[in-house]
Amino acid sequence: DVKVTQSSRYLVKRTGEKVFLECVQDMDHENMFWYRQDPGLGLRLIYFSYDVKMKEKGDIPEGYSVSREKKERFSLILESASTNQTSMYLCASSSYLRTAFIGQPQHFGDGTRLSIL
Amino acid sequence: DAKTTQPPSMDCAEGRAANLPCNHSTISGNEYVYWYRQIHSQGPQYIIHGLKNNETNEMASLIITEDRKSSTLILPHATLRDTAVYYCVGFGNEKLTFGTGTRLTIIP
Repeated sequence: DVKVTQSSRYLVKRTGEKVFLECVQDMDHENMFWYRQDPGLGLRLIYFSYDVKMKEKGDIPEGYSVSREKKERFSLILESASTNQTSMYLCASSSYLRTAFIGQPQHFGDGTRLSIL
Repeated sequence: DAKTTQPPSMDCAEGRAANLPCNHSTISGNEYVYWYRQIHSQGPQYIIHGLKNNETNEMASLIITEDRKSSTLILPHATLRDTAVYYCVGFGNEKLTFGTGTRLTIIP
């Protein structure tokens, strides 16, 4: 089974801090994703990556950056944390879509519940 | 990207089939429909996906209408462990588009 591991289940940080959320997958997947989940808003895509050192903006990238130095690891960075970034953060991975006509499911970690005080 | 619409909540008796509907009238021709579920305090778990044809796996069946504007996820014999939020998700241009899902409660 695919295993996506997020470094922390719960994290509390202060406004203005630089925050790192780490995600590791063990299935040699090319694609990795970061989402945030808020009540009433569902999951929203922040950033994703198709390969090492590649990154693409999702729907809500403002205030975030990412790093992918190794294939198995994808980091989400809050450059200067703010209270409106309090949320559940979910990491996912999937194997590479060779074409738009081949579906590949994304596999999720259990999330990091981040509180910014 | 496909926008999906689901009822906010449903109940189902234990042992009965749970049928969860989803409307995705804006789906495009090459856009898959995925179903995930999320049990409290866990990440979303992949269930099944399809494009045009009906699909079945060990967890569920997926029925997609011929016009592809809606689909139904069927859990054939619901158990208490199936209590979760179920998401019907559009997939296009490498992106999943999640809605707010259906909270399914299995009643003993």
